[in-house]
Parts: sequence; C-alpha cells; structure tokens
Amino acid sequence: EVQLVESGGGLVQPGGSLRLSCAASGFTFSMYWMTWVRQAPGKGLEWVANIKQDGSEKYYVDSVKGRFTISRDNARNSLYVQMNSLRADDTAVYYCGRGPSWGSLTPPHYWGQGTLVTVSS
Amino acid sequence: QSALTQPRSVSGSPGQSVTISCTGTSSDIGAYKYVSWYQQHPGKAPKLMIYDVSERPSGVPDRFSGSKSGNTASLTISGLQAEDEADYYCCSYAGSNTFVYVFGTGTKVTVV
Repeated sequence: EVQLVESGGGLVQPGGSLRLSCAASGFTFSMYWMTWVRQAPGKGLEWVANIKQDGSEKYYVDSVKGRFTISRDNARNSLYVQMNSLRADDTAVYYCGRGPSWGSLTPPHYWGQGTLVTVSS
Repeated sequence: QSALTQPRSVSGSPGQSVTISCTGTSSDIGAYKYVSWYQQHPGKAPKLMIYDVSERPSGVPDRFSGSKSGNTASLTISGLQAEDEADYYCCSYAGSNTFVYVFGTGTKVTVV
C-alpha cells in the first residue's frame, strides 16, 4: 500500500524558514517523480514543485521560485521542501504526491494527509 | 501558469447526472492526454477519480467518467449520490520543456 506521510509544519514568522518532509513507503521511491502541492485555507489546490527520480530536474511555480527548494533522498525514501523567506500567503496545507514513473507525465495518483504551515507574527 | 477554469458550483438531485467542465489552453489540456480529476471532502486529502482524461482507478465507481474536447476536459457523475457531495479539481500536465502541473479553480458539487 502506497503511503505518504508529511511532517514539519507549524507556525513560523514572516521571513522565517521551515523544512517539510514526506516519508514514502509501499513503492519503489526512486522510480517516481515527486510533487508538492498546497492549499490555502478555504482556497483551491496549487501545484508548488516537482522533482525528477534522480533529483536532476526540479520545477517550481513562479510564486516560490528562489525561496523554496525541493529535494529528495532516495536512500531514505524521503521528499523534502526547504521554504525560506516565508510570507503570509504561503500559509497552507502542504501535500506531497507521488508523480509518474518513467514514460508518463500524469499528475499524482497518491497524496499524503498534508501538513499545515502557518506564517504569522 | 494560469489556473484552469471550472464552474464554482454545480448541483443535482440524487440519481441525476452532473458534468463539470475544466477549460484550459492549447498549452495544457489541448496539448496532452494527461488530465486528472480529484475529489476532496472537507479536511481531507484529494482523492484521484480520473486520470489520463478518461481512465478510472480501481475502486472508483463507474458512475464517474471523464472526457476531453479541444482545450476543455469534463467530469461526469452519473447517478449522483449523497457521498458525491465534495469539491472537485481538475489538473493537467502543462509542460513542454518543463515538468509542471496546473490545477483547476475547483467546483463544489452539491447534492440537493
């Protein structure tokens, strides 16, 4: 059974930093693209970042470029996002998702339960 | 990276059919077969209902179906049931030389 478990959320002041983690199990982690999406309170889903199987390619939504860094550790079956210079509009539930394997571009089939990040003074 | 356009809400009575549209551009929905639909109940994670335009994951009732025409994808729920009341989001690959996704604005389905 595919499982994705996010952690690391919490309350942080504007301008601060936070690192989210996503522990994966139930599949061969190194074979899949991985994705972060977020959902601000009462708002819709927003794609945030993608990372390739070997970490060699990373893509970001414009609003987080230069502030967020997605990374992965295939030996630990873990996905991360380092979030710096946080702003109030980064407040959201952050979900990690399992993207496609080789040869596909399909959006994630599986999601974690999410972790809440609140940016406030 | 503009969001795909969905109606804010749709409603139907139990047993009826409803269709949710998702309008993008020739750079996302119109260019690829990689459109997914997610169901989200309040406080819960998204759940995949349709992938690759019209494919249904195992365990998803066949009341849910997907299609695409040009730059618009659609999700149809036939035989509407009370538990179908939720938010629904479309999502499309929107790359070309990059690997990015774009979500729809979301549609609230109400079973009246």
